[in-house]
This record gives sequence, C-alpha cells and structure tokens, in this order.
Amino acid sequence: SQQGEEDPQALSIQEGENATMNCSYKTSINNLQWYRQNSGRGLVHLILIRSNEREKHSGRLRVTLDTSKKSSSLLITASRAADTASYFCALREGSQGNLIFGKGTKLSVKP
Amino acid sequence: EPEVTQTPSHQVTQMGQEVILRCVPISNHLYFYWYRQILGQKVEFLVSFYNNEISEKSEIFDDQFSVERPDGSNFTLKIRSTKLEDSAMYFCASLYSLTGELFFGEGSRLTVL
Repeated sequence: SQQGEEDPQALSIQEGENATMNCSYKTSINNLQWYRQNSGRGLVHLILIRSNEREKHSGRLRVTLDTSKKSSSLLITASRAADTASYFCALREGSQGNLIFGKGTKLSVKP
Repeated sequence: EPEVTQTPSHQVTQMGQEVILRCVPISNHLYFYWYRQILGQKVEFLVSFYNNEISEKSEIFDDQFSVERPDGSNFTLKIRSTKLEDSAMYFCASLYSLTGELFFGEGSRLTVL
C-alpha cells in the first residue's frame, strides 16, 4: 500500500508567519486527510479533502489537493506557538481502505 | 465530546512476557484500528477490525499479535511474547464512517526490557 511523503521533514518559523507543508503520493486516492500530533500524544484529525475537491478551509487551515500532480498542501496561517506539533498526511485508497500515514513534518513555531 | 480511551498509558514488561493493551472505542463506531509508532518514527498500521473479525492486517501484525472484542465495548491488542523491538506507542482508533475521520486514543506506551 502507498503512503504520503511529507515535505519538509522539519520546519521552524516565527509566530505570526505562515507554515506550508506538502504531501506527495503515488497512486489514486479516495481522500486525503491531515492529522496533528503533539509530542507524546495521540493524533488529532484536522481536515479531510476528497479526491474531487481542490481546496478546503477550516479556521486558520487551508488544504489544497492536486490529483494531477498527486500532491496536497497544508497551510497554517498566522501561526502560534501552540501550533508546534508534527503534522501527518494520511491516505485512503478505497472508501473503506485503511488510512496510511506519512512520516510527518515537525513544525516548530517560536514565540 | 466522545473519545477513544486506552489503558494502560504506560506499561513496562520483560522480553518474552505477554502484554494486553486495552481500548474503548467510541460507542457507535463500527471500524476499529491499531497503529503503532516507534519513537521518532512514522505511524504504522497494524490491523483493522470490523464486525468482530480482522478486515485487514499489515506485515507487522504477525502470529505474535492478536486482537479481540471480548464484550460490546472493549477492543484489545495482545502481544504473546514481547520482543525488544515491540517497544513503541500503540494507538487505538475508531472510524466515524460518515466522514471517514479516525478518532485516536492517547496511546499506550510499551517498553520492553
């Protein structure tokens, strides 16, 4: 099964700046999801984008999906120190297929 | 808000011992999962469970692993004879079918000495 590959592996920014993380994959998908993980904690679902959608917003989060390039991006605007976490993209191939996670991007937001 | 709960939060065991990790998924969810995360590494799929049977499992989920839903609420992962390399965080998750969103527990940290 496939997994997404996040880029960059690590990102360090100042509070107030925007953070962009990318996810690339290889085969067709049913949907792509982004999750957040604070150090030592469980994963928390952020946003899901279906294969027929191009962009979704949720608060300060904006996710895009380009199925022709097989890539997605997660943008966090006006970042805060509390956004410091690892961010993972996760792929589901079929409607009931299992979610496969990438290696994640470790985001550090400095106050 | 409904949540997935996992126990224990941390377990230390000797190599070769059996370990049972417990999970209470969200009550009206029907699909359940176990994932693991070795320290600093990616989240790896172990097994999915639906209608009281395994629906899919990964290469990691060998004969040393088993899952069970002994009653209407608990979902357990058993490792029969632990190895050093089983040391990891083990996450249970349940699926909200309408949205495809996975709800994760806070994890059980397993340390095998």
